[in-house]
Amino acid sequence: EPEVTQTPSHQVTQMGQEVILRCVPISNHLYFYWYRQILGQKVEFLVSFYNNEISEKSEIFDDQFSVERPDGSNFTLKIRSTKLEDSAMYFCASSISGGDSYEQYFGPGTRLTVT
Amino acid sequence: GNSVTQMEGPVTLSEEAFLTINCTYTATGYPSLFWYVQYPGEGLQLLLKATKADDKGSNKGFEATYRKETTSFHLEKGSVQVSDSAVYFCALSKYNFNKFYFGSGTKLNVKP
Repeated sequence: EPEVTQTPSHQVTQMGQEVILRCVPISNHLYFYWYRQILGQKVEFLVSFYNNEISEKSEIFDDQFSVERPDGSNFTLKIRSTKLEDSAMYFCASSISGGDSYEQYFGPGTRLTVT
Repeated sequence: GNSVTQMEGPVTLSEEAFLTINCTYTATGYPSLFWYVQYPGEGLQLLLKATKADDKGSNKGFEATYRKETTSFHLEKGSVQVSDSAVYFCALSKYNFNKFYFGSGTKLNVKP
């Protein structure tokens, strides 16, 4: 069964450094998402991406964040200058359509630790 | 605004016990409702969903009914197994681009 993959599974970085989290969505999916979960808190929406542009972003997704689909398969989340509070589990997801009844398929997550 | 509240965990049950995990939501209009499950080391997997009021989603012995009058979508299973041990997330989505609002997750531990 097709699945969403994410790399790395765990990333440790120092405050102020740039990180890129990578995702390979399911190949025939058109809608892509990033979520994060700070330890002990809710899974929070960050951004949705369709047709090579951001379709919606949350207030968390400030200028330090960017997303890109550099080729036909990868979908990346870049944090330009990491802060301690960016430490979280980051989940990538994809869906075949954007309607609200369509499920999203999630990757296993990347645990980001900022020291 | 839109939000989901689910019962705090962890929930610890013996094998074959009855499971209920409560989930309530706040939303304008008519969201779609989902339960996702996360097994250790894996991503969130869709367990079941319901897209309109009074719909019942079911999968692998789990059930949840979309109750608009009580704004609830409680997850139930008649007889849990050790293999059901996981974290369960309730979620809603609305409108285009399918932005999901998640609850905080409920960890279920099932003991033999």
